[in-house]
Amino acid sequence: KNQVEQSPQSLIILEGKNCTLQCNYTVSPFSNLRWYKQDTGRGPVSLTIMTFSENTKSNGRYTATLDADTKQSSLHITASQLSDSASYICVVTDSWGKLQFGAGTQVVVTP
Amino acid sequence: NAGVTQTPKFQVLKTGQSMTLQCAQDMNHEYMSWYRQDPGMGLRLIHYSVGAGITDQGEVPNGYNVSRSTTEDFPLRLLSAAPSQTSVYFCASSSSWDRDNEKLFFGSGTQLSVL
Repeated sequence: KNQVEQSPQSLIILEGKNCTLQCNYTVSPFSNLRWYKQDTGRGPVSLTIMTFSENTKSNGRYTATLDADTKQSSLHITASQLSDSASYICVVTDSWGKLQFGAGTQVVVTP
Repeated sequence: NAGVTQTPKFQVLKTGQSMTLQCAQDMNHEYMSWYRQDPGMGLRLIHYSVGAGITDQGEVPNGYNVSRSTTEDFPLRLLSAAPSQTSVYFCASSSSWDRDNEKLFFGSGTQLSVL
């Protein structure tokens, strides 16, 4: 069973609207959590990295939150743009440096 | 700024054929790794290297070989291709193994089909 579960699997949103993606994990002991953006046909690109002591981090219109007690993270996209259409991947690193990848949430932004 | 370069972009093989996926980075990164990405699954680590001359197995190493003769290059070899190796392969690199700060840089991927 994957130790990093993402929801929803996919979503469609209208341009200009906000959306929130979820990531639940069971990885332990925890070191950090990252969000990556993967455009179709390209490799993932880092958006944010959060350690245990950080509960929010922003990168432009992307804001990630982390609740290490409940082992949940979310990625909020504000005022979506067509260029936000991509897969968003949650990655959790354990204390030994092993990375566990979620399967991703496919976001489609429509005009 | 080339970053991480993977070749080829697409490849079709017959069962039993061998081939090498190329990966090169120009950022002088010590750490390099290979992942495969399958539909509905997260990326899985195949092999990794923490420096020239040092390689180790990841989560799914069977059927793949690697070597690291230079800091820049980290080729992945399929010895006898099988349909189960049909996947998208990504090479990644990072400058250090500072777990809480290092950022992985990915190549654009190689889509491999084994018939």
